[in-house]
Amino acid sequence: GAVVSQHPSWVICKSGTSVKIECRSLDFQATTMFWYRQFPKQSLMLMATSNEGSKATYEQGVEKDKFLINHASLTLSTLTVTSAHPEDSSFYICSARTQGLETNEKLFFGSGTQLSVL
Amino acid sequence: AQSVAQPEDQVNVAEGNPLTVKCTYSVSGNPYLFWYVQYPNRGLQFLLKYITGDNLVKGSYGFEAEFNKSQTSFHLKKPSALVSDSALYFCAVRDISGANNLFFGTGTRLTVIP
Repeated sequence: GAVVSQHPSWVICKSGTSVKIECRSLDFQATTMFWYRQFPKQSLMLMATSNEGSKATYEQGVEKDKFLINHASLTLSTLTVTSAHPEDSSFYICSARTQGLETNEKLFFGSGTQLSVL
Repeated sequence: AQSVAQPEDQVNVAEGNPLTVKCTYSVSGNPYLFWYVQYPNRGLQFLLKYITGDNLVKGSYGFEAEFNKSQTSFHLKKPSALVSDSALYFCAVRDISGANNLFFGTGTRLTVIP
């Protein structure tokens, strides 16, 4: 099946620094990618929808200037956590969607990134 | 607004016994419902979905789920559990307003005891 590669798997950074997380679709073109975050014992929460070649659509309550999303190509989306703070520590996971979601499940997930901000 | 509830954080079942992981949902229209599984150190994997048609949906690895409109439930089931089924299971409902997003439940950790 299709593979989505997410890198890094885990990252520790100092407060105030920026962290970039990459999400790549390895064997298909993803016109749309989604970014989620998951706090312990809570559900995956959608942060933003990233469409190739256009600005990302952010969910209510998500700061677009803090969580910068770039979807410059059909196989790569990046999430940059700018000026990270301890409260940004979380598990971030991306997913990539091909066309035809209604007829065939074409949503694939990365393995996630555990961010710890000291 | 769409929402999904998984009332059990943890489910333990003996190997060979049937298993059920519960999920209830709330949507304004017709639901598109999904089950995903997350194995340790791996991404979420699709198990099965309900869009329309038969209420009993069969998916990967011998799993099935039954859509019950009157009870707004979509419980995941398997007749005979395997130790390798131990994982984190997420129920999800699709936002049919056009954004094609998925809203997830909080997850249920299934442990199959040998």
